[in-house]
Amino acid sequence: EVQLVESGGGLVQPGASLKLSCVASGFTFSDYWMSWVRQTPGKTMEWIGDIKYDGSYTNYAPSLKNRFTISRDNAKSTLYLQMSNVRSEDTATYYCTRDSGGYVMDAWGQGASVTVSS
Amino acid sequence: DIVLTQSPATLSVTPGESVSLSCRASQGISTSIHWYQQKSNESPRLLIKFASQSISGIPSRFSGSGSGTDFTLSINRVESEDFSVYYCQQSYSLPLTFGSGTKLEIK
Repeated sequence: EVQLVESGGGLVQPGASLKLSCVASGFTFSDYWMSWVRQTPGKTMEWIGDIKYDGSYTNYAPSLKNRFTISRDNAKSTLYLQMSNVRSEDTATYYCTRDSGGYVMDAWGQGASVTVSS
Repeated sequence: DIVLTQSPATLSVTPGESVSLSCRASQGISTSIHWYQQKSNESPRLLIKFASQSISGIPSRFSGSGSGTDFTLSINRVESEDFSVYYCQQSYSLPLTFGSGTKLEIK
């Protein structure tokens, strides 16, 4: 069974940094592009970016490119999202997703909740 | 960025009815549209890819159609488990974008 399990969410102060992790199981992690998607409290879905199966290439939403970094460790079957200088508008549930090809997200984690507040 | 407009925002139906949900793209995107279902307090689930391609494990009452700018997700005879929010997503160009969702509720 394909599983994606995010962790690392929580309450963080504005301007701080936070790193989310997503552990994958049930498939060969190193064969797939992976993405991060977030959903705001108002239920708006926003794609953050993705990373190639070998970690050699990333794409980002332009509005987040300067503050968010996606990386992966294939030996640990783990995807990461490093968030820096967080703002209140970064408050959301963060999902890691598997790309089955052509930017189709065929598996989603349960989500990690991030709240940015002082 | 490609904007996806979903309509209606909310659709109230009786179980057993058949429904159509719309997703319109701000420019032509061929068939690069995918549909997801999100039940309350759950993660999204892929229903249909590339406008009309079925997904293993998804009930056959779900189907998709369209190309260019206008797309439709159809549910043939809605069942109680189908009441949730449906999102479309385009993969024609980066950044990937999602529609704002259609909530299917019980009438």
